[in-house]
Amino acid sequence: QSALTQPPSATGSPGQSVTISCTGTSNDVGGWRWVSWYQQHPGQAPKLLIYDAFKRPSGVSDRFSASKSGNTASLTVSGLQPEDEADYFCASYQHNNNLIFGGGTMLTVL
Amino acid sequence: QVELVESGGDLVKPGESLRLSCVASGFTFSDYYMGWVRQAPGKGLEWVSYINIGSNTIHYADSVKGRFTISRDNSRSSLSLQMSSLRVEDTGVYYCARDGRSVVTAFNWHFDLWGRGTLVTVSS
Repeated sequence: QSALTQPPSATGSPGQSVTISCTGTSNDVGGWRWVSWYQQHPGQAPKLLIYDAFKRPSGVSDRFSASKSGNTASLTVSGLQPEDEADYFCASYQHNNNLIFGGGTMLTVL
Repeated sequence: QVELVESGGDLVKPGESLRLSCVASGFTFSDYYMGWVRQAPGKGLEWVSYINIGSNTIHYADSVKGRFTISRDNSRSSLSLQMSSLRVEDTGVYYCARDGRSVVTAFNWHFDLWGRGTLVTVSS
């Protein structure tokens, strides 16, 4: 059950866009539609941003979008705002009824 | 108010047991699959376990299989995690989480509602 690979950090300026990648294998990201993304501010619980690779729950800003190609999923945050500064985690179903997470990406808004 | 509230976290020694609880409110608990996710201090998220509505299908991460038992009581809107043979590496905040229910009678492998978590510390 190896973790998915995310860059440890990402940086952007207010108003810019930033994309965070999440790389797995054909046994997880590449093989199933069940990829999700979470935002976590310090000391808080995670918040669901994206599910089923690209779907956005009601109430989540449309500045958050996602896609998947092969074994890599991506989260794009557009129009960066100071409150977007947080940790972002991807997750994927893995063959044989497992759920694995990425190591997390700390997004800094300069 | 839709929320999940965990309790039961504590400081325990390696090899000991602990039971975590989670009480749901503001939604029909018996309509949702539920799970536990943990986070070691300063680390990422790790899925622990998942249970369907009728408690007849349960999944565990390999790291806890055989040591942890998830259960639920729909009449009390509660979810539990019985943890035994605890190890130092089990230390972390344990979150109770609600399945996203994008497909009603299935594990959807994402969580749309999380509690604030309860801290479990395993140390000698």
